[in-house]
Amino acid sequence: NAGVTQTPKFRILKIGQSMTLQCTQDMNHNYMYWYRQDPGMGLKLIYYSVGAGITDKGEVPNGYNVSRSTTEDFPLRLELAAPSQTSVYFCASSFRESGANVLTFGAGSRLTVL
Amino acid sequence: GDSVTQMEGPVTLSEEAFLTINCTYTATGYPSLFWYVQYPGEGLQLLLKATKADDKGSNKGFEATYRKETTSFHLEKGSVQVSDSAVYFCALSDLGDYKLSFGAGTTVTVRA
Repeated sequence: NAGVTQTPKFRILKIGQSMTLQCTQDMNHNYMYWYRQDPGMGLKLIYYSVGAGITDKGEVPNGYNVSRSTTEDFPLRLELAAPSQTSVYFCASSFRESGANVLTFGAGSRLTVL
Repeated sequence: GDSVTQMEGPVTLSEEAFLTINCTYTATGYPSLFWYVQYPGEGLQLLLKATKADDKGSNKGFEATYRKETTSFHLEKGSVQVSDSAVYFCALSDLGDYKLSFGAGTTVTVRA
């Protein structure tokens, strides 16, 4: 059982380039999320999805786009990369357990924009 | 909006010492509360959770009690090991919500 898989693990981009971070889960979870983690700032929600075809903005969506064409996949697209997007990105999916959503995280993707 | 404030780190302890990480929250409803742990180079993992007032979550020797009167969910472990070195995140999810709000994280280093 792979859980949540993210690719790539590391990437260096030049300012203005675009790229897609891939995320796939094999647990048949309806809910999926993208967070970014910056030092001393905890995790900030970028986008989330409650099911295939449905996405919504989180706290920090500017500069990013997502799509959810299948239950399994939730890619995050960065358009016109900027140094402020240098961060570690985590994809997660969730199920409800005892009335609470329990998130399972991927291993993370470290992005550097130079 | 909902938010979580947790004790700033870093925290450095000797093996077998007692660990406490403070976490307080602000929420409009009746949130569920969580502690996640991130080991070096890995993603976050659920450590424990509590879904209602006075619930105690526990796992791997860690405990936290949901205190509604003080809006707190402090994490404790009686005797830490080197393998407990990690970043610990307090988080909440309001009733009926599926999004989590995270604290800033507390880095804990345990020395042999």
